[in-house]
Amino acid sequence: NAGVTQTPKFQVLKTGQSMTLQCAQDMNHEYMSWYRQDPGMGLRLIHYSVGAGITDQGEVPNGYNVSRSTTEDFPLRLLSAAPSQTSVYFCASSYQFRGADNSPLHFGNGTRLTVT
Amino acid sequence: AQTVTQSQPEMSVQEAETVTLSCTYDTSENNYYLFWYKQPPSRQMILVIRQEAYKQQNATENRFSVNFQKAAKSFSLKISDSQLGDTAMYFCAFTRLRRNNNAGNMLTFGGGTRLMVKP
Repeated sequence: NAGVTQTPKFQVLKTGQSMTLQCAQDMNHEYMSWYRQDPGMGLRLIHYSVGAGITDQGEVPNGYNVSRSTTEDFPLRLLSAAPSQTSVYFCASSYQFRGADNSPLHFGNGTRLTVT
Repeated sequence: AQTVTQSQPEMSVQEAETVTLSCTYDTSENNYYLFWYKQPPSRQMILVIRQEAYKQQNATENRFSVNFQKAAKSFSLKISDSQLGDTAMYFCAFTRLRRNNNAGNMLTFGGGTRLMVKP
């Protein structure tokens, strides 16, 4: 099925450990992004990419790295996990802006990360 | 910077009745999009409805409609004939209208409203 696939669904880390959250889409979308969801705060943008080889910071980028070597994949790396990074993470993708019809975001099903 | 505020953390409604969720936003932009997303317990984010700021007519999608008041910067969601499957978190979101090649769909979300539909 076409869509945005995130792995893993759940993860528990100890403080200081590193890991990569995977995100892949098969819709040939140029734009991909990562959000984190915390209670009462909605979703906040971490990093985004408008195409392979291009990434930029969102609202809350500290503690996270991204890369975009292919159109399909946009992994999110936590180099040294902290308890403040306990959250639900969503990857989203869309076509690039093409005139008046702004392409809606397609979301993955999220990764629940707990850092102890 | 844009901000989106949802002042109702939780709401409940009886099945088959109508409920309205509030959303206000703050921006200096003139051209933008507004969205309502639904997040059921499955955690999936589902687009419910969207509104282009340059359109005066309120968007409608089946039982879902919005009341867009641009001058007041208000964007409420009305759910008619509520169904048990409407139980979910609802998020209001905003994005600027972007016209350059580095544009994207960078959404600013409100804190969400948890809606419970009671049988």
